[in-house]
Amino acid sequence: GAGVSQSPSNKVTEKGKDVELRCDPISGHTALYWYRQSLGQGLEFLIYFQGNSAPDKSGLPSDRFSAERTGGSVSTLTIQRTQQEDSAVYLCASSLAPLRAGSQPQHFGDGTRLSIL
Amino acid sequence: AQSVTQLGSHVSVSEGALVLLRCNYSSSVPPYLFWYVQYPNQGLQLLLKYTSAATLVKGINGFEAEFKKSETSFHLTKPSAHMSDAAEYFCAPHGGYQKVTFGIGTKLQVIP
Repeated sequence: GAGVSQSPSNKVTEKGKDVELRCDPISGHTALYWYRQSLGQGLEFLIYFQGNSAPDKSGLPSDRFSAERTGGSVSTLTIQRTQQEDSAVYLCASSLAPLRAGSQPQHFGDGTRLSIL
Repeated sequence: AQSVTQLGSHVSVSEGALVLLRCNYSSSVPPYLFWYVQYPNQGLQLLLKYTSAATLVKGINGFEAEFKKSETSFHLTKPSAHMSDAAEYFCAPHGGYQKVTFGIGTKLQVIP
C-alpha cells in the first residue's frame, strides 16, 4: 500500500493499562505527525518528528504520553496508565518535507480509535 | 503562530445547492493554505491548496477556493452539492512553523 498505515484500527482497553499505537508513514516521507481527534474538539497536535528526532513535543498532554520513531520510518505512540479522557481517535500523518517549507500536504492514516473503559 | 477560523461548525445544504464553507486566516504574511476533507471513519485527505501561484484554486470533486488577501479569507465553494460531499472539512495554514493548527472543522450535511 502506498498510503499511511495505522494499527490497530480499533483498541478497547481498561483504565490504567498501557497502549501502543503504530504508524507506518509513506516511504520517503521524512516528516511525521501525531494528532488526537476528540468529539467536537477538532484536531489536536501532539508531536512532530523530522527523521528520528522530535523537535516539537509541545502537544503531548502529559508525561503519560510518549512517542518514538526509528529508522526514519515507523513511529509508535505510547500512552501509559490510560485514563478515560484519553478516549479519542489518534491520527498519524506524514509529509515529504517539513511543514516549515509549506507547500507539501500531509498524508493521513485512517486513525486508531481508542476507547478506555 | 498562524491560525484559521472556520465559521460554522455545521452547515446544511440541499442537494444541488451551492456549498460555501468559510475560512479566515490571521497572519500578516499569507501562508500556504490547505483544505482537507474527512469522510466518516477515515483520515483527512487533501482537497486543494493555495501556494500563491493563483488566487483561485481548483481541487478535487468540483471544489474550489479563492484566496482573498483583502479579506484574509480562503472560502471553499462548490456550485452544486452532491450527497457524497457529506463530510467534515478542515482549513489549515502551512509554512513557516513546524506544526499545523487546524480549524475546528465544518461538518457538511447534504439534504436530499
